[in-house]
Amino acid sequence: SQQGEEDPQALSIQEGENATMNCSYKTSINNLQWYRQNSGRGLVHLILIRSNEREKHSGRLRVTLDTSKKSSSLLITASRAADTASYFCATVHQGGSEKLVFGKGTKLTVNP
Amino acid sequence: SAVISQKPSRDICQRGTSLTIQCQVDSQVTMMFWYRQQPGQSLTLIATANQGSEATYESGFVIDKFPISRPNLTFSTLTVSNMSPEDSSIYLCSVGREPGDTEAFFGQGTRLTVV
Repeated sequence: SQQGEEDPQALSIQEGENATMNCSYKTSINNLQWYRQNSGRGLVHLILIRSNEREKHSGRLRVTLDTSKKSSSLLITASRAADTASYFCATVHQGGSEKLVFGKGTKLTVNP
Repeated sequence: SAVISQKPSRDICQRGTSLTIQCQVDSQVTMMFWYRQQPGQSLTLIATANQGSEATYESGFVIDKFPISRPNLTFSTLTVSNMSPEDSSIYLCSVGREPGDTEAFFGQGTRLTVV
């Protein structure tokens, strides 16, 4: 399976703290994306990082990509209760179709 | 961005019956996908819905169980056939505007419970 792994599986922090989630994958990729899912609803795209990029920022989000280690991290700074959700990484693999392969996800709880 | 309407949002069905889920997009899209998310799990791709031809199914998913239609570039349906409790999941429609490294847009999902 090409499915990635996220860790931790669950993360509980206090408002204002930073949250870091990691993702690993198995084969070479074109890009890696992070998505957020609230309470089993539809996914919302957060950020995309291409295989030739190492770091990307969007608001309070910071994503890094290490293709040599086949891993990525998502950092949410100054977390808020509204950030409580499940976060998934997803990869588009080289030489394949345009389909996304999702990791197992991290369930983040931000306590007020 | 693309706005996706997925219907129904939830349903409770008897085992042995079938349910058809609709996905309507507000603009023409090239790529359209159907995912399954079992309780507490990640998303697993069921198939790519191809306009004007048969869907491309992933390993473990077959057309007889999950027939898919895609009559045009804005609409697709997924049918879950001969349902059993193991089919209880969230089913999600996803679209990409065009091939390449672009983001995917998701419908709100259909939460299916089979009793």
